[in-house]
Amino acid sequence: AQKVTQAQTEISVVEKEDVTLDCVYETRDTTYYLFWYKQPPSGELVFLIRRNSFDEQNEISGRYSWNFQKSTSSFNFTITASQVVDSAVYFCALSDPNQGGKLIFGQGTELSVKP
Amino acid sequence: NAGVTQTPKFRILKIGQSMTLQCAQDMNHNYMYWYRQDPGMGLKLIYYSVGAGITDKGEVPNGYNVSRSTTEDFPLRLELAAPSQTSVYFCASSYLGPTNTEAFFGQGTRLTVV
Repeated sequence: AQKVTQAQTEISVVEKEDVTLDCVYETRDTTYYLFWYKQPPSGELVFLIRRNSFDEQNEISGRYSWNFQKSTSSFNFTITASQVVDSAVYFCALSDPNQGGKLIFGQGTELSVKP
Repeated sequence: NAGVTQTPKFRILKIGQSMTLQCAQDMNHNYMYWYRQDPGMGLKLIYYSVGAGITDKGEVPNGYNVSRSTTEDFPLRLELAAPSQTSVYFCASSYLGPTNTEAFFGQGTRLTVV
């Protein structure tokens, strides 16, 4: 069975601190995708990144970076120099394109960035 | 492009009432999904569709029905509303094929059953 675990329920940091959100996944499939979505207080889901299982390169996009390690089944997300606007719930998700692309979500990590 | 459009945005139902949540996408995506999000939880899949005329159950299908008569539309039907169906509902679509896209989500429908 597929599963995504985000062990950190809530994280609180002060602005400009770096913060890492952890994501651990379980799957027996060799082909899969991993995602991060952001859900701000307004409630919509904002796509941040998609990674396929064959691409373990880390990725950086501005203040955001992602560390994908198949050896530990982890796909962690780091925000550098956090800002108040980063306050949101962040979801990690897993999907198998050979099984309808259904997303399996973690429970989410609520990040609060205080000024 | 409007993307994925859900209506209504908010609704209050009485126990036993029925309603249909509408979802439409204009990206010609073949796959569509309905998820529900309970407070403090991640999203769980209710139903999904791989194309017009084809639907399948997700993790939490009880109390819901869907249909997919066109590529664009994927309505979710609640027949006898129960308090346990109080949740935020998200519709999503994606394209799976030679190239795959991520799932695009609608703005959500906040449903309260009283």
